[in-house]
Amino acid sequence: DSGVTQTPKHLITATGQRVTLRCSPRSGDLSVYWYQQSLDQGLQFLIQYYNGEERAKGNILERFSAQQFPDLHSELNLSSLELGDSALYFCASSVGTGGLQPQHFGDGTRLSIL
Amino acid sequence: SQQGEEDPQALSIQEGENATMNCSYKTSINNLQWYRQNSGRGLVHLILIRSNEREKHSGRLRVTLDTSKKSSSLLITASRAADTASYFCATEAGTALIFGKGTTLSVSS
Repeated sequence: DSGVTQTPKHLITATGQRVTLRCSPRSGDLSVYWYQQSLDQGLQFLIQYYNGEERAKGNILERFSAQQFPDLHSELNLSSLELGDSALYFCASSVGTGGLQPQHFGDGTRLSIL
Repeated sequence: SQQGEEDPQALSIQEGENATMNCSYKTSINNLQWYRQNSGRGLVHLILIRSNEREKHSGRLRVTLDTSKKSSSLLITASRAADTASYFCATEAGTALIFGKGTTLSVSS
């Protein structure tokens, strides 16, 4: 058990809809990272927050947004959903920030767009 | 785009055999990490090797790093069925990590 909790585990919705994925980081971790994993693109870094502030941005679409709250949990909002957004979305956390920090992953949210 | 690329894409071995996976990357790094992902689960951190290290061990895992060739290898000795998983190398991109597409390892008993 990594200590990172993601909800929901599965989400099925339709094109054009909006969903919110939630992540509770491991106790004591200040950084939260969001990743998208699909068969064709592999594991893509989306965005990182550190202690409530955005720290790094990757291949995140404008339709997607995230935030980290004062209690350090994070939410990833996906809007105007398209079929291609179907993927596994992972949250990871680390104590600090930077490449020397091992990241601890949740078990992901599987998003299916019908 | 991926910074690291693992090779081979898939590997099938028998229990007790050794498994070697390779990772090549494009730009200079300060460190490189290896992760394992069991089917349908999140990634699990295995080992981190710094750019000034050439080899590192952790249990049945041995990682090497050759910065001149921009490559790393992960060796799992005496493989077990429970080692069946996908293995990813990850390099840093600022404060984030960039993952390769992984090697899928199947260990049969």
